[in-house]
Amino acid sequence: EVQLLESGGGLVQPGGSLRLSCAASGFTFDNYGMSWVRQAPGKGLEWVSIISGSGDTTFYADSVKGRFTISRDNSKNTLYLQMNSLRAEDTAVYYCAKVPISGVVTHYFDSWGQGTLVTVSS
Amino acid sequence: QSVLTQPPSVSAAPGQKVTISCSGSRSNLGMNLLSWYQQLPGTAPKLLIYDNNERPSGIPDRFSGSKSDTSGTLDITGLQTGDEADYYCGTWDSSLSAVVFGGGTKLTVL
Repeated sequence: EVQLLESGGGLVQPGGSLRLSCAASGFTFDNYGMSWVRQAPGKGLEWVSIISGSGDTTFYADSVKGRFTISRDNSKNTLYLQMNSLRAEDTAVYYCAKVPISGVVTHYFDSWGQGTLVTVSS
Repeated sequence: QSVLTQPPSVSAAPGQKVTISCSGSRSNLGMNLLSWYQQLPGTAPKLLIYDNNERPSGIPDRFSGSKSDTSGTLDITGLQTGDEADYYCGTWDSSLSAVVFGGGTKLTVL
């Protein structure tokens, strides 16, 4: 059974940094791309970033480009999201999601974690 | 503004059928397949439909999807109170090099 467990969320001041982690199990991690999707309180889903199974291809939403960095450690079956220069509008629940292929061009995510809440506020 | 357009809300009585629409453009739904997600209150999204009309194992056949050109639909038949949730469509946008979602549709089963 696929399991995705996010951690690292919390309260951070504007301009601060935070690193999210997503521990994966139940599948061969490096065979699949992975992604981050966020949801602001009371709002819809917003895709954030995606990384290929090998880690050599990444894409970002314009809203986070230059501030967020997605990465993965296939030896630890873990996905990361380094978030810098955080803004109030980055406040959201951040979900990690599994891509059904090793690449990044996907129209769906077949498994989702339970999410971790990031609050950016002074 | 979301790249894909969905109605904010739909409603129907138990046992009835509801259709949720999703409209896009040539660079997203015109070139790529469509997916749908169900998000029950307080939970993570769950994949309902992929490849326009395929259901993951465990998803009942009351849920069905279709796509034509730059728009698609999610049909839910035999509505149950447990179907009350937010529903999102999603796809890849080849111009943006990004996954895109609709704004979500809240289903109320009256």
